[in-house]
Amino acid sequence: GENVEQHPSTLSVQEGDSAVIKCTYSDSASNYFPWYKQELGKRPQLIIDIRSNVGEKKDQRIAVTLNKTAKHFSLHITETQPEDSAVYFCAAMREAAGNKLTFGGGTRVLVKP
Amino acid sequence: DAGVIQSPRHEVTEMGQEVTLRCKPISGHDYLFWYRQTMMRGLELLIYFNNNVPIDDSGMPEDRFSAKMPNASFSTLKIQPSEPRDSAVYFCASRLSGFEEQFFGPGTRLTVL
Repeated sequence: GENVEQHPSTLSVQEGDSAVIKCTYSDSASNYFPWYKQELGKRPQLIIDIRSNVGEKKDQRIAVTLNKTAKHFSLHITETQPEDSAVYFCAAMREAAGNKLTFGGGTRVLVKP
Repeated sequence: DAGVIQSPRHEVTEMGQEVTLRCKPISGHDYLFWYRQTMMRGLELLIYFNNNVPIDDSGMPEDRFSAKMPNASFSTLKIQPSEPRDSAVYFCASRLSGFEEQFFGPGTRLTVL
C-alpha cells in the first residue's frame, strides 16, 4: 500500500519568514495530494490540494508543488504569521483504489513573533 | 449542513468498560472514515465505509474494536473491553467521492483509566 513520509517533524520560523514542509510517497499511481492544518485541540481542515496533472497550485500565502518523477510534494507558506502555528499533515491517494487518504506523520510549525 | 457530528465529545471510562462512539456524516457523502490520533502514532485510519459497506478494516487494532454503519446517516465505533492504551482522540470523517474534500468531525477525546 501507499506510504507517506513527511519532514521535518517540527519547524520553528520567525514571523514573516517562509516555511517549507516536504512529503514523499511510494505509490507512483497516486494522483491526489491534499494538505490539512490542525490547530491545537481542533479537527484537521483542508487548506490546499493538488492533483497529479498539475505541478503547482497557489492560494494567497500558501502553495503546493508536485514532482511526480521524484514522487514528492511540498507545502510552502510565505510571510508566516502567528496564526500559521499548527500541525500540518500531507496525504496521498490513488483515486478509484479505495479512495483512501494515507497521511504523513505531521509537522508541528511554530511561528515566533 | 452542520458538518460531521460526533458524540460524545469527551468520554472518561474505566478499564474493562464498553465504549461506543457515534458519528453522523455529512448528508450525501459516500465515504465515512474512522481515525485515531495519538502523539506517538499520529493519525491512524482504523476503518472506512463506502455506501455503508465496510471496505477496509485493516487498521482496526484488534478484536476489541468493531464498527458499524447501519444506514447512510449513522456510524458507531465500539471498544469492548476498553484498555488504557485506547486513550486517544477519535475522529470521524466523511467525503463525497474521489477528489472531493474530506471533512473531519470535532473528535471524541477518550480517556480510559
